[in-house]
Amino acid sequence: ILNVEQSPQSLHVQEGDSTNFTCSFPSSNFYALHWYRWETAKSPEALFVMTLNGDEKKKGRISATLNTKEGYSYLYIKGSQPEDSATYLCAPAFSNYQLIWGAGTKLIIKP
Amino acid sequence: DARVTQTPRHKVTEMGQEVTMRCQPILGHNTVFWYRQTMMQGLELLAYFRNRAPLDDSGMPKDRFSAEMPDATLATLKIQPSEPRDSAVYFCASGLPEFMNTEAFFGQGTRLTVV
Repeated sequence: ILNVEQSPQSLHVQEGDSTNFTCSFPSSNFYALHWYRWETAKSPEALFVMTLNGDEKKKGRISATLNTKEGYSYLYIKGSQPEDSATYLCAPAFSNYQLIWGAGTKLIIKP
Repeated sequence: DARVTQTPRHKVTEMGQEVTMRCQPILGHNTVFWYRQTMMQGLELLAYFRNRAPLDDSGMPKDRFSAEMPDATLATLKIQPSEPRDSAVYFCASGLPEFMNTEAFFGQGTRLTVV
């Protein structure tokens, strides 16, 4: 069984502060890493898909890094805003066509 | 605009009844996923199809659940007979052939309540 861990499980951040959280996954047979943003009562939306070790992707105030050798990815949010409140899911894909979803980090931005 | 369409959006049914949920993937997407959102399990993969063939349905309770793709524009998830523990939001997502390293697009979900 492939184990994907996201930490922390939940996070309260003051508006304007920056924050980050982690996705850990097995490094063997790694193919790609997906990050999704899931707002309450909506459906998940893709943020990034990364494949290469050392990859860094950015979309506005959100960025992500990838370390495939040690099996982790960080998601960073700079200057948090209330609209950033959501659950952030990571899903590593493996070469046997498995896409395994983490349980998510629930981010709550306090105004 | 291109989107994944799921019907119905909400379904309330009695225990023992058959439930069919439908998904229309984005045109050109040949990979279709069925997920279930529960309080306990988060986002749980039930099954996925590639070119209409089931690739993995190990996450699906086989005794009562079945998933099919009658054609490239329709995927169905059926529960027969339904039980209260099946109450959840069921999401369909579709992706390109290179789904491993491209994003999946999710439908709005079907909220199922079995009473």
